Formats: sequence, C-alpha cells, structure tokens
Amino acid sequence: TQLLEQSPQFLSIQEGENLTVYCNSSSVFSSLQWYRQEPGEGPVLLVTVVTGGEVKKLKRLTFQFGDARKDSSLHITAAQPGDTGLYLCAGVKTGNQFYFGTGTSLTVIP
Amino acid sequence: DAGITQSPRHKVTETGTPVTLRCHQTENHRYMYWYRQDPGHGLRLIHYSYGVKDTDKGEVSDGYSVSRSKTEDFLLTLESATSSQTSVYFCATKASGRGGSYNEQFFGPGTRLTVL
Repeated sequence: TQLLEQSPQFLSIQEGENLTVYCNSSSVFSSLQWYRQEPGEGPVLLVTVVTGGEVKKLKRLTFQFGDARKDSSLHITAAQPGDTGLYLCAGVKTGNQFYFGTGTSLTVIP
Repeated sequence: DAGITQSPRHKVTETGTPVTLRCHQTENHRYMYWYRQDPGHGLRLIHYSYGVKDTDKGEVSDGYSVSRSKTEDFLLTLESATSSQTSVYFCATKASGRGGSYNEQFFGPGTRLTVL
C-alpha cells in the first residue's frame, strides 16, 4: 500500500474544461511536491508547497496543501492539449526521502 | 537540467540472469535515487544514496542491490532477474541542503527493462 493515493487515476477532458486532481494520505509531510511526466521522459518538478493551507499558482495551475499537511490538490483552469501528461505528487517526510503518489494520467482532447 | 544519463536505455533479459543498470550525473549532487515505475503505482523508491558508499533501502528493495563508489555513478543490480522486475527504472539526483530548491529531484530519462 502506497503512502499517497491520487484520484482520479485517469482523466480525459475536452480543451477548455477545468479539472482537479487529488493527492491524499493519512501521514503528515513536511512538504509536498507536484511533478509532470511526459511519455518517454523522467518527471519534472512543477511546484513545492511547504506550509499547511498554502496555495501556489503557476499560470493556469493552482496547487493547494491541506491545512493538516496530509493532502494536496492540483486544479487546472481551461485545460490545453499541452497539459497532457502524467501528474505525480510526492511527499517529503525527512529532507531527503520522497514518497510518490500513484499518479494521474491526464489527456486533454483538442 | 542536471545532466543525468542512464544506461542502457532498453534491455531485454531472461529470468535468472544478473542485470546492472547505471546512472551517471555531472552535477556533483550528493543524493542519488533509484525508482521503479509501474502502471497504477507511480514511482516507488528502491534504494537511495546519501554519499559515496552510503546507501539505504527504500520501500521496494527486495531483489535489488546498489553501489556508489564515486559521486557521479550509482549502480542498480538485479542479482537474479525475475519477471516481476519488468518495469521502467528511473534514477534521480538531489543537491544537499534543506528546503527551497534543494528539495528538487532531477530525473534521468529512464531504462525500460523486460525480463522474459
């Protein structure tokens, strides 16, 4: 059983729609990260959230860290085909070990 | 881009044979990690290293061993490969220090391993 569960596992939407991806755990993390991975490549860091309740925005992407630092969400506004990819959350317990979520595969249809 | 390469990029092998995957970095990062990626499981940590000759187990370490004799190289060995080890393997590095940009992992391009 993995420490971080993501939902949904798969998401297929039309261009212009909004979506939210959830990352949940029963454990507390010192920080939480979101990565995006494209086919045939390694994941690339999008954002790190550190403080409970923190909200960070990256253009059309909004990331939130839960107040209790156990969960996080990623909201995409007006999705575009370029947003297609695998989204992974990762929790940090100590400074150097990371626990990845189960992943959400997003497809944005033009 | 942290300059991480993995070799080989693809490998097909038979059950019971030994396999070694190599990760090479040019950024002098202290920490190095080996993950495996399987559908529905995201990335799972196999082993990691916090310095030359300093390694520790991750959540799925059974059947795997690692070695780090130089800062730039981290080897993952499957002593006797099994079909359950068919997966995509990713190496990652991280600089020393805490917080901010020091928490960013940089990933290699992956190695696709098939065990028949």
